[in-house]
Amino acid sequence: GENVEQHPSTLSVQEGDSAVIKCTYSDSASNYFPWYKQELGKRPQLIIDIRSNVGEKKDQRIAVTLNKTAKHFSLHITETQPEDSAVYFCAASNVGGFQKLVFGTGTRLLVSP
Amino acid sequence: DTGVSQNPRHKITKRGQNVTFRCDPISEHNRLYWYRQTLGQGPEFLTYFQNEAQLEKSRLLSDRFSAERPKGSFSTLEIQRTEQGDSAMYLCASSPSDRGPDGYTFGSGTRLTVV
Repeated sequence: GENVEQHPSTLSVQEGDSAVIKCTYSDSASNYFPWYKQELGKRPQLIIDIRSNVGEKKDQRIAVTLNKTAKHFSLHITETQPEDSAVYFCAASNVGGFQKLVFGTGTRLLVSP
Repeated sequence: DTGVSQNPRHKITKRGQNVTFRCDPISEHNRLYWYRQTLGQGPEFLTYFQNEAQLEKSRLLSDRFSAERPKGSFSTLEIQRTEQGDSAMYLCASSPSDRGPDGYTFGSGTRLTVV
């Protein structure tokens, strides 16, 4: 089955810096890659996603890149703000299947003012 | 709030007791998923319903776990003879069948503590 690895587990940056979180997946059948933000005690919230027919997607300060050959994808956050502090999870899924999400282990991002 | 509703929000139980959680999905969503999230980890898939049919179960779902969705609306997850290792956040998600996994909406979860 699918296995998703995520690095780093913790990331501390200064406000205004960029943050990059990387994930690798194992199943070449996976074709959908979302990123979720989870604040303490709250539900995971989808912040951006990418499908396997696209190499890069951007939404304001966040972007995701996908390298299908290497089976890795990354989340990029520019101009970080304290409110970006949270745990971020990458995930992989197969749109053609029953759409189970396989999550990475999470990255705790701390943005210091 | 018309999102996915989970009850209770918190549950503390003694080891060996049975517990039941409820999930009310968004009304027009016919897909329903249960995930378990332990501290410091990402959510792990437990089971999936398409309407009232349970179509997929993870190996994580031992014989002590049972899930139902009797009328294709709300779902319940029961854990029998709870163990300390069952302590986790139990998340429910729903999605419409005409959307891909980008259609997921998660509930706020039920946090179970087994003492």
